[in-house]
Order: sequence, then structure tokens, then C-alpha cells
Amino acid sequence: AQTVTQSQPEMSVQEAETVTLSCTYDTSENNYYLFWYKQPPSRQMILVIRQEAYKQQNATENRFSVNFQKAAKSFSLKISDSQLGDTAMYFCAFEGNQFYFGTGTSLTVIP
Amino acid sequence: DGGITQSPKYLFRKEGQNVTLSCEQNLNHDAMYWYRQDPGQGLRLIYYSQIVNDFQKGDIAEGYSVSREKKESFPLTVTSAQKNPTAFYLCASSIGLGTYEQYFGPGTRLTVT
Repeated sequence: AQTVTQSQPEMSVQEAETVTLSCTYDTSENNYYLFWYKQPPSRQMILVIRQEAYKQQNATENRFSVNFQKAAKSFSLKISDSQLGDTAMYFCAFEGNQFYFGTGTSLTVIP
Repeated sequence: DGGITQSPKYLFRKEGQNVTLSCEQNLNHDAMYWYRQDPGQGLRLIYYSQIVNDFQKGDIAEGYSVSREKKESFPLTVTSAQKNPTAFYLCASSIGLGTYEQYFGPGTRLTVT
């Protein structure tokens, strides 16, 4: 079965600091896609970043970057220069034959 | 503006009643999805549809039904057979299955008493 695990239910970070959210997944597939979504208090889900499994290069979107380790089945999200608006739930997601979400990490950015 | 709309934002029903949640998109996306979100459990897939007149069960389809008569619309019916229907429901769409990010609606909070 395909599963996605986020082992950190809650995290906090000081404004302007860097934080890393972890995600591991289990799959027997070779071609798949990984995503990080953000859900702020408004509950509107927004895509943060996407990684294709066939690409070795880690994806980057402004202050957000990933560390994708395919052999270890690990897909962590690094947020640099944290801002108050980054406070949200962050979900790691896997897309293979179906679409699986992790249970989320609640991130609080402290002023 | 292109996007996904879900209505209503809050819905209240008595136990034993069926209720239908609306989901409409004007993004011209082929694929649509329904998720249920409970505290501490992330998002769980209820149903998804790749094209009109076709849909597939997700992980927790029991007690739910869907239809996809139009590309733009993917309504979800929560039936009286669903044992714990109170939850936050999210609808999403994507260009297609397999490689594309999903765009989400604002969600509907269903409370059944």
C-alpha cells in the first residue's frame, strides 16, 4: 500500500529563521510525483511545491525548497526566512496510481 | 476568475437525512476529486473522476455517492449510511490524473446531529 508519513504533528520557528518539515512515503512505483500543500487558517489548500520523481534536481520555489531522496523515499520541505504568513498546516502528498496525503504538520511562525 | 466553488460553506443536517454537497469548476479540468478532512487524519480520498460519466472509489467511499454528468460539476451525496458524516469536505480538480497538481475549493463543513 502507498502511504505518506509526516512524523512532526507540530512545529514552530522564529520569524526569519529556517525550518524543515519531514515527509516519508512508501511505494513500489518508480514514476510518481510529490507535492507540498499549505492550508492556512482559512482552510484554502494551496500548492507550495512539486517534485517529479524522475528528476534528481531538487525543486525550488522562492523561499521553499525540497530535499528529495528517492532511495530513502524522503521528501522534506525547507522554508527559509520564515514569515508570519507561513503559519499553516503543511501536507505532503504523493501521486501515483492514486493520490495520498500525509496527516499534516502544523507550523507556527513566532514573531 | 477561474476556480472551484463549493457551496454552502456550512451545512447542518439531521441524522438519517441524505445531503448533497456542490462542487463546480470553470478551469476546464478533466479530473475532479472529493476528500474528507478530519483532525489528525489529513485528507482522505472519497471519490475521484477522470472524465465525464466515469468515477472511481477512493479509500473511504462507503456511505457516499457521486455523479459526473457535466465536466464542470462533481456533486457528492452523503447518505444516511455514512456512520460519521460530520467533517470538512474538500473538492479539487486537476488537468488530469497522474502528474498534475490539484486545485482546491474552499471546502464545506458538514455537521450532522
